[in-house]
Amino acid sequence: DQQVKQNSPSLSVQEGRISILNCDYTNSMFDYFLWYKKYPAEGPTFLISISSIKDKNEDGRFTVFLNKSAKHLSLHIVPSQPGDSAVYFCAASAPDQGAQKLVFGQGTRLTINP
Amino acid sequence: KAGVTQTPRYLIKTRGQQVTLSCSPISGHRSVSWYQQTPGQGLQFLFEYFSETQRNKGNFPGRFSGRQFSNSRSEMNVSTLELGDSALYLCASSLATGWSTEAFFGQGTRLTVV
Repeated sequence: DQQVKQNSPSLSVQEGRISILNCDYTNSMFDYFLWYKKYPAEGPTFLISISSIKDKNEDGRFTVFLNKSAKHLSLHIVPSQPGDSAVYFCAASAPDQGAQKLVFGQGTRLTINP
Repeated sequence: KAGVTQTPRYLIKTRGQQVTLSCSPISGHRSVSWYQQTPGQGLQFLFEYFSETQRNKGNFPGRFSGRQFSNSRSEMNVSTLELGDSALYLCASSLATGWSTEAFFGQGTRLTVV
């Protein structure tokens, strides 16, 4: 049972344009969401997070949007840069399961083309 | 500030053997979580330790165990290794002082079982 889904295994975007990565979840108890970026042979790097009491959080070029009614979140990267090419994971946690137990999506490989 | 350190980086073991992986969290972080990453299953939560106590556990067999020491360093042990245990094992540390905090990952230990 995949509670967190990233339905696009890959995404290709031109440098300078906007990258939009999507994530859907099924567990309505999830109240905290995170995005991680992962390069090959490295551990995931934390990017940005959002709690369920907000619908938007911004940090530089990264913005995360949360639509609770649709159980959907998205990560926007503007403008996209070649160094953004990596695998992006969304993750969620629920208070009844423990805040440190993250449930991850399968990841989306983002490629930024020059 | 040093990041999360995992040792060793790479390991090759034979079926039936056991293995111990080590994780040193970021200084001041009391929570350490372990994850298994495989191509088929993605990133899956193994367990979390906080103040030397296992606080949360994922759906893995009892062959997977761990512990945490008073300095917050953690070890993970896998006994009677199976071929399917080949994976990247990731450790994450967090402050865990609030209801939701970001987890910071190490580079992982790549375990190959032959």
